[in-house]
Amino acid sequence: DSGVTQTPKHLITATGQRVTLRCSPRSGDLSVYWYQQSLDQGLQFLIQYYNGEERAKGNILERFSAQQFPDLHSELNLSSLELGDSALYFCASSEQSSGNTIYFGEGSWLTVV
Amino acid sequence: AQSVTQLGSHVSVSEGALVLLRCNYSSSVPPYLFWYVQYPNQGLQLLLKYTSAATLVKGINGFEAEFKKSETSFHLTKPSAHMSDAAEYFCAVSEPSGGSYIPTFGRGTSLIVHP
Repeated sequence: DSGVTQTPKHLITATGQRVTLRCSPRSGDLSVYWYQQSLDQGLQFLIQYYNGEERAKGNILERFSAQQFPDLHSELNLSSLELGDSALYFCASSEQSSGNTIYFGEGSWLTVV
Repeated sequence: AQSVTQLGSHVSVSEGALVLLRCNYSSSVPPYLFWYVQYPNQGLQLLLKYTSAATLVKGINGFEAEFKKSETSFHLTKPSAHMSDAAEYFCAVSEPSGGSYIPTFGRGTSLIVHP
């Protein structure tokens, strides 16, 4: 158990809908990362937050957004969902934003039908 | 810009045989390097991490990796494979970018262990 908690574990939704994925980082970790894992793209970095502020942005679509709250939990919002958004979404956390090991949650499986 | 190449999407070995999973990276500065393992339906778990303290890094479950700067490689090895080692293995590189370090992952190598 990495200490990173993600909910829900599985989610099935229809095209055009919006979903929110939730992540609680390890106790004491200030930085949260979101990754998308799919068969064709591999593990892709989406976005990073550090102590409530966006720190780095990767291949995140405009239909997706994220935030980190004062209690350091984070949410990833996915809207206008398409079939191609079906993937495993990972949250990871680290103590700081520089050089530390990142620890992954077990992921949220999203299926868009 | 950093990138990672893992040679071989699948590696098959017999139980008890040597495991060698290859990873080459590109980075403009001395990077941090990682190996993670992913078991079915689970998240990624850290196996080991290179931080420039020593070129040979020992990790969990008997795995180790050697950093070779001249070859820009960080191959993962284990002397004797066990059935429980069957999983997906990911190499990652992390270098500073805009005040942050964002690990970039390879496409992964699936390790298959035969009895």
